[in-house]
Amino acid sequence: GAVVSQHPSRVICKSGTSVKIECRSLDFQATTMFWYRQFPKQSLMLMATSNEGSKATYEQGVEKDKFLINHASLTLSTLTVTSAHPEDSSFYICSAGGKETQYFGPGTRLLVL
Amino acid sequence: AQSVSQHNHHVILSEAASLELGCNYSYGGTVNLFWYVQYPGQHLQLLLKYFSGDPLVKGIKGFEAEFIKSKFSFNLRKPSVQWSDTAEYFCAVNVGLTGGGNKLTFGTGTQLKVEL
Repeated sequence: GAVVSQHPSRVICKSGTSVKIECRSLDFQATTMFWYRQFPKQSLMLMATSNEGSKATYEQGVEKDKFLINHASLTLSTLTVTSAHPEDSSFYICSAGGKETQYFGPGTRLLVL
Repeated sequence: AQSVSQHNHHVILSEAASLELGCNYSYGGTVNLFWYVQYPGQHLQLLLKYFSGDPLVKGIKGFEAEFIKSKFSFNLRKPSVQWSDTAEYFCAVNVGLTGGGNKLTFGTGTQLKVEL
């Protein structure tokens, strides 16, 4: 199947700093990518839809100025958590694919101290 | 908005036991249904999906699921589980192909542990 990678796999940062997470589709082009957040023992919650060449579409309750998304090419979307705080600590997962199947990245574990 | 319910949060089975994980969704229109699996330390992988046609769909690793429209259900089954099936299982719904795009709504997941 198609491969989606994420970098970094885990990151620890100080409160107030910004963290950038990359999501790449390795063997296919993706005009749309999705960013999810997964809290411990909970489901994946869709945060936003990343659209290549245009603004991301955010789900209700997700602060667009807090979670900046850039989809500059057909194989790369980035999520930047700005001025991170401990409550932003979570597992962030991206996905990409067609209308029938989404391929998920391995996730990025963010810990904000 | 659509929602997905998985009523079994934790399931413990012995090897060779049969498995059925419940999944119910709330949406009255056309839905696309998925089951994903997340093995320990790995990313989500697609087990099977239903779009149309035969409501009994077969996926990888011996899993199958049955779409029952009248019950808004898409339960996952496997006749005989193996220790390697220990993982977390997520049911997901995609509402249609146009209005809902590719956005998936996930259930809360079921943690399956298979004991030797």
